Amino acid sequence: DADVTQTPRNRITKTGKRIMLECSQTKGHDRMYWYRQDPGLGLRLIYYSFDVKDINKGEISDGYSVSRQAQAKFSLSLESAIPNQTALYFCATSDRDTDTQYFGPGTRLTVL
Amino acid sequence: AQSVTQPDIHITVSEGASLELRCNYSYGATPYLFWYVQSPGQGLQLLLKYFSGDTLVQGIKGFEAEFKRSQSSFNLRKPSVHWSDAAEYFCAVENSWGKLQFGAGTQVVVTP
Repeated sequence: DADVTQTPRNRITKTGKRIMLECSQTKGHDRMYWYRQDPGLGLRLIYYSFDVKDINKGEISDGYSVSRQAQAKFSLSLESAIPNQTALYFCATSDRDTDTQYFGPGTRLTVL
Repeated sequence: AQSVTQPDIHITVSEGASLELRCNYSYGATPYLFWYVQSPGQGLQLLLKYFSGDTLVQGIKGFEAEFKRSQSSFNLRKPSVHWSDAAEYFCAVENSWGKLQFGAGTQVVVTP
């Protein structure tokens, strides 16, 4: 079984809709992250959480919100989706000892 | 501000030939450096990382990377490429707060 899972894997939605992307991990890591990937831009950090009570904005947090429901779960929400939020979204986890991030398989989101 | 530059957007290499992917970083302190690989339709997989010590780092799948402080570089190499190495490769640097900054990526195409 995968250590970091993301649901859904693909989603097509319309402008203005609310969307939630979910991430779960079985690695027991404290730290979780949400990134988006756009061609030619690499991965950019949206939000990160170093423990359940700690939520921090990344470099491109506008238009997004997150919820850390438990150590193992970290959700990303788009309150009102817009077409330029069409991208591949990745969740990642790490622990403070190894400083290595482990990525989920990604969610491909299309906003029409 | 820290930054990561991958000068080559796209590289084509023949199967069996050697491969070198360039990565330059800008960071005030001694960086933690990473190379990740993303195969088509997959998440990111860690190839190798450098934290300290020996500047030549061995990774998975026959890859290695060399940290050169004087050149602010962390280039990835493989002596003999296999068709399965066709993928996108990302260099990343971690800051003191445990956040990764990614380069834009290098797409590697392997020809027969």
